[in-house]
Amino acid sequence: EIVMTQSPATLSVSPGERATLSCRASQYVSSNLAWFQQKPGQAPRLLIYGASTRATGIPARFSGSGSGTEFTLTISSLQSEDFAVYYCQQYNNWPPSEYTFGQGTKLEIK
Amino acid sequence: QVHLVESGGGMVLPGTSLTLSCAASGFTVSRYGMEWVRQVPGKGLQWVAIIWSDGNNKYYADSVKGRFTISRDDSNNTLLLQMNSLRAEDTAVYYCVKFRGRIAESWGQGTLVTVSS
Repeated sequence: EIVMTQSPATLSVSPGERATLSCRASQYVSSNLAWFQQKPGQAPRLLIYGASTRATGIPARFSGSGSGTEFTLTISSLQSEDFAVYYCQQYNNWPPSEYTFGQGTKLEIK
Repeated sequence: QVHLVESGGGMVLPGTSLTLSCAASGFTVSRYGMEWVRQVPGKGLQWVAIIWSDGNNKYYADSVKGRFTISRDDSNNTLLLQMNSLRAEDTAVYYCVKFRGRIAESWGQGTLVTVSS
């Protein structure tokens, strides 16, 4: 099983500042990496897939980068609605039962 | 527009059964891979069961294998999860998810299952 490790567990950032979240895979996953945002009481929402492609309707302040085993989600200028928990997920190997989530990074207001 | 609405959650006794439904609109369930993902309140995401678009390939997490069954009701464009022999550790919010290719693209709002005596 590919283990996804996200860091930090909690990130405190002020509104308007940049946030950088990391995700590391225990094995090579190419660019088969997605990021999800989850706000309290809501379902996860797809933000990024293919490591760097924004999903439909996702603002340009969200960007993803990386390939192989190291990935980054950057939020360029934090808005109040961006404070949430973020999960990465790799979907490199088949079958889909091999897809794995990271444990999440909580982005909180500083 | 894709819309997924889960139902069927509730509080049940250990050892009993429950069936979750996910009514889909805006697309045809039988043409896409679908899955159930669960989340213990305050914890992370865990996939539970997956049914691929061919309908024949089904996968289950080890923790639910032999107890849960994923299926589709194509006539009602609905995804189902039959859960038997429920345990306290099955307590979670269960989300219905639609794949686009390999990507978990669309999520329902979730339904809470509580297993408690």
